[in-house]
Amino acid sequence: AQSVTQPDIHITVSEGASLELRCNYSYGATPYLFWYVQSPGQGLQLLLKYFSGDTLVQGIKGFEAEFKRSQSSFNLRKPSVHWSDAAEYFCAVGPGNTPLVFGKGTRLSVIA
Amino acid sequence: DAGITQSPRYKITETGRQVTLMCHQTWSHSYMFWYRQDLGHGLRLIYYSAAADITDKGEVPDGYVVSRSKTENFPLTLESATRSQTSVYFCASSPRGEDAEAFFGQGTRLTVV
Repeated sequence: AQSVTQPDIHITVSEGASLELRCNYSYGATPYLFWYVQSPGQGLQLLLKYFSGDTLVQGIKGFEAEFKRSQSSFNLRKPSVHWSDAAEYFCAVGPGNTPLVFGKGTRLSVIA
Repeated sequence: DAGITQSPRYKITETGRQVTLMCHQTWSHSYMFWYRQDLGHGLRLIYYSAAADITDKGEVPDGYVVSRSKTENFPLTLESATRSQTSVYFCASSPRGEDAEAFFGQGTRLTVV
C-alpha cells in the first residue's frame, strides 16, 4: 500500500536561512509526487509536482524538490525562507487520478 | 466565480443531529474527494467520486454518506454527528490524468458539541 512519511512534525528556521523538508514515500509503481502548502485557515495549494523527467522540479514561491528513487524521497527545498513561508506543508503520492495519499504534514515556523 | 467552494465555512452542531457539508466546483472535473484534517493525522480520505453517480469509500468512511447526482456537486452528510467528527473538512476536485493535481476548497470547520 502506498504511504508517505514526513519525519519532521515541526521545524523552525530563521528568516533568510535555507530550508529542507523531508518526505519519504512507499509506492509500488512509478510515483506521482506532490507538495502542497496550507496557510493558516486556508485550503491546500499546490507548490510543485513530479511525475517524470528531470528529477529536480521547480515550483511556485521559489520552492524546488528533488526526486531520488534510490532513497524513495522527494524533499522540498528553498534557498532563503521568508516570513510568509510559515505554514503547514504536505507531501502526497498519487497518481492524480486516484485519491492522493498525504503525509501528516510539517509545520514551518519562521523567526526573525 | 470559478473554482471550488465549500459551505458553510464554520458549523456548530449537536451530537445526534444530521448535518450536510456542501461542495461545488465549476471546472467540470471528473474526480471529487472529501478529506478530514485532524491534528496528528494529516489529511485522511473519507469518500471520493470518479464521476456522477460513482462513489467509493476512503480510509475513514464510517458515519458519513455522500452522493453525486451532478458532476459539480459532492455533498457530505453526517447522519448522526458525534464528537469524534469534530474536524476540518476539505473538499477537492481533480481532472482526469495521472499527473493531474487536486484543487482544494477552503475547508469547513465543524464542531460537534
